[in-house]
Amino acid sequence: AQSVTQLGSHVSVSEGALVLLRCNYSSSVPPYLFWYVQYPNQGLQLLLKYTSAATLVKGINGFEAEFKKSETSFHLTKPSAHMSDAAEYFCAVSDRNGGFKTIFGAGTRLFVKA
Amino acid sequence: SAVISQKPSRDICQRGTSLTIQCQVDSQVTMMFWYRQQPGQSLTLIATANQGSEATYESGFVIDKFPISRPNLTFSTLTVSNMSPEDSSIYLCSVQEQETQYFGPGTRLLVL
Repeated sequence: AQSVTQLGSHVSVSEGALVLLRCNYSSSVPPYLFWYVQYPNQGLQLLLKYTSAATLVKGINGFEAEFKKSETSFHLTKPSAHMSDAAEYFCAVSDRNGGFKTIFGAGTRLFVKA
Repeated sequence: SAVISQKPSRDICQRGTSLTIQCQVDSQVTMMFWYRQQPGQSLTLIATANQGSEATYESGFVIDKFPISRPNLTFSTLTVSNMSPEDSSIYLCSVQEQETQYFGPGTRLLVL
């Protein structure tokens, strides 16, 4: 069975600092991996996705994530945080064998301090 | 990606009443999903709605409480029946395009 673990329900960084949000997954087959962002009072927006092409995936708003099979990780990073990055971030996994049923992590709330 | 809209965007309801949430997609899609996001929580899948067949409900969700319609490939409704304060949540519609799910803006429901 697939699962997703996001380490840290809350992460706080200073403006301009590195953003690192951690995600580990469990899947018996090659997974598809996703990061979504949810701004206050909005739905989920796709940030980026890994679908078995390049292991380093670049997304919107300067975010990127690296798929590391040996570590079963898909951590999200951004070199320099902006105040506008403050939001809830969800990591998710699906696979073809499961009919692409998507499993979401618990979420990590990112706070950005001025 | 598909553009998804939901109505209403938010509502405040009295316990014991029902609310129907509409989801409209700007293109034809096979698979549509309804999720619940309780305050401060992640997403929980309520059901999968495919056109021309009964919705498939996840464990813990039943048709009597959350009836779903899927009359065509661009539209679906979710009804939250006989509401209680525990139903206060964000309800999200999503569609699947290949391996990726895309989400509507959500309906914020408060039950008093």
